[in-house]
Amino acid sequence: DIQMTQSPSTLSASVGDRVTITCRASQNINSWLAWYQQKPGKAPKVLIYKASSLETGVPSRFSGSGSGTEFTLTISSLQPGDFATYYCQQYNTYSFGQGTKLEIK
Amino acid sequence: QVQLQESGPGLVKPSQTLSLTCTVSGGSISSGSYYWSWIRQPAGKGLEWIGRIYTSGSTNYNPSLKSRVTISVDTSKNQFSLKLTSVTAADTAVYYCARGPAHFDYWGQGTLVTVSS
Repeated sequence: DIQMTQSPSTLSASVGDRVTITCRASQNINSWLAWYQQKPGKAPKVLIYKASSLETGVPSRFSGSGSGTEFTLTISSLQPGDFATYYCQQYNTYSFGQGTKLEIK
Repeated sequence: QVQLQESGPGLVKPSQTLSLTCTVSGGSISSGSYYWSWIRQPAGKGLEWIGRIYTSGSTNYNPSLKSRVTISVDTSKNQFSLKLTSVTAADTAVYYCARGPAHFDYWGQGTLVTVSS
């Protein structure tokens, strides 16, 4: 089974900051990785797929990179609506990371 | 615009079977090369993929739940369904349906299922 490990679990930042979240896979998943944003009481929303492709309608301040076992999600300049929980997901066998809660500093 | 909507009982007794249905609107469940998945999330915790079905009826399940899960599809009703047997309190969660086959681009709003006597 492929394990996905995100870091950090919690991230405190301010509006305008650049932030990076890391996701590591326990084995090679090529570029088969997506990133989601989830706000309280809502379903997750896909931001990035195939490691670095921006989903239609998602602001360009979100970007993804990586391949193999190490991946990153970067938000270039945090906006108030970006404070949420972020999950990575590999779509070889569909496991998710444990989540990173992005909170206001 | 594709929309998914979960429905089913919000309360299930321990040892019984949890049954949910996802109704797809805004497009045919049979069109395109899509898989239709169930995902759950216990309160305050992360996401767990349960399983998926293709409109041919082909299924894949999370190995940790495989012995208790059945996913089926009814293309005439544009629906797919989840059955989870022998439930315990650990199965209490918000259950989502979502469209694949790779990343999940459309999700239902989620439905809370509580397992309690």
